[in-house]
Amino acid sequence: EIALTQSPGTLSLSPGERATLSCRASQSVDNYLAWYQQKPGQAPRLLIYGASSRATGIPDRFSGSGSGTDFTLTISRLEPEDFAVYYCQQYGSSRTFGQGTKVEIK
Amino acid sequence: QVQLQESGPGLVKPSETPSLICTVSGGSISSDDWSWIRQPPGKGLEWIGYIYYSGRTNYNPSLKGRVSISLDTSKNQISLKLNSVTAADTAVYYCARGGGSLALWGRGTLVTVSS
Repeated sequence: EIALTQSPGTLSLSPGERATLSCRASQSVDNYLAWYQQKPGQAPRLLIYGASSRATGIPDRFSGSGSGTDFTLTISRLEPEDFAVYYCQQYGSSRTFGQGTKVEIK
Repeated sequence: QVQLQESGPGLVKPSETPSLICTVSGGSISSDDWSWIRQPPGKGLEWIGYIYYSGRTNYNPSLKGRVSISLDTSKNQISLKLNSVTAADTAVYYCARGGGSLALWGRGTLVTVSS
């Protein structure tokens, strides 16, 4: 089973700052990686699929990069509604989620 | 637009086999793959399994033998059965459209396992 490790566990930033979230796979998943945003009491929302393609309706301040085992989600300028928990998920071999990164207001 | 609605028993006793239902409106389940994911209170997401529109299934190895996903095309529903539950199965259970990336999710249903 492929394990996904997200870092950092918590990211403390101010609105307007840039957020960089990392997701590392225990073996290659090619580009079969997605990113989700989850706010309290809500279901996750797909942000990025195929490592770098934005899902429908996702603002362009969200971008994904990487392939193989190392992936990054970047939020170019944090808006107040972006403070949430972010999960990566691989679907290259079976499916697994990372443990999440919480982006909190500094 | 397509919407998903999960429903379940709410509270179940240890060793029981609860069934959860995902009702799809605004589209046919026969044209997509469908996944189940769960989230224990205050914890992260865990993939349970998915079912292709053809009926073929793929389950999380850590749950294999205890989980079963099926389609009821007459009711446009996807079902999840989890055998011999314990307190560790207490979670919000989500259904989602897709077998890879998951673009559409239901709001989830909480299943609490307690005697």
